[in-house]
Amino acid sequence: SAVISQKPSRDICQRGTSLTIQCQVDSQVTMMFWYRQQPGQSLTLIATANQGSEATYESGFVIDKFPISRPNLTFSTLTVSNMSPEDSSIYLCSVGRSLGTTDTQYFGPGTRLTVL
Amino acid sequence: QKEVEQDPGPLSVPEGAIVSLNCTYSNSAFQYFMWYRQYSRKGPELLMYTYSSGNKEDGRFTAQVDKSSKYISLFIRDSQPSDSATYLCAMFNAGNMLTFGGGTRLMVKP
Repeated sequence: SAVISQKPSRDICQRGTSLTIQCQVDSQVTMMFWYRQQPGQSLTLIATANQGSEATYESGFVIDKFPISRPNLTFSTLTVSNMSPEDSSIYLCSVGRSLGTTDTQYFGPGTRLTVL
Repeated sequence: QKEVEQDPGPLSVPEGAIVSLNCTYSNSAFQYFMWYRQYSRKGPELLMYTYSSGNKEDGRFTAQVDKSSKYISLFIRDSQPSDSATYLCAMFNAGNMLTFGGGTRLMVKP
């Protein structure tokens, strides 16, 4: 498995501001992912962040709203820009890991964001 | 129609009961099937994974895949209050991203 930490663990922000979420992994990983989990809902993939290349965004998510950095193989940030109450959610980073015959993902503890 | 369907629950059972959690899916290309457990205010934790059809057992947990019916199950024997959590199924085909079910909230009452 992988030990993944996220900062901050939670935050309450004002409408129109931006928040940067940090994700740190205890070992080098190629693939990192950012997900959103709205209250009572499942996980929605925002983007895939690979070191040395631009993040790949899923349908419905754009770089201007969710810029991502991946400066090295153990760290990534996700910024939620120009926030509105609809951005209130849990944001999770995950990393890809091989289980021998297949790859899977391990998740960080999440960042709980409330936008007023 | 969602690609992966999962009854949201909540499912409430007494301690010691056998729990059955299920997912159905529509994409026959899925080959890898995972179960994640998510405690309140925590990130999802990988519980079990299986490849293709068949059963896999790990302690009190058994994962079952029936590809012909596009149906997967997670059984929990001798359920404990500490099993109370949301259980998410997830699946993918090699090279593609995980597709998650909506999660089933389980409550095991002492």
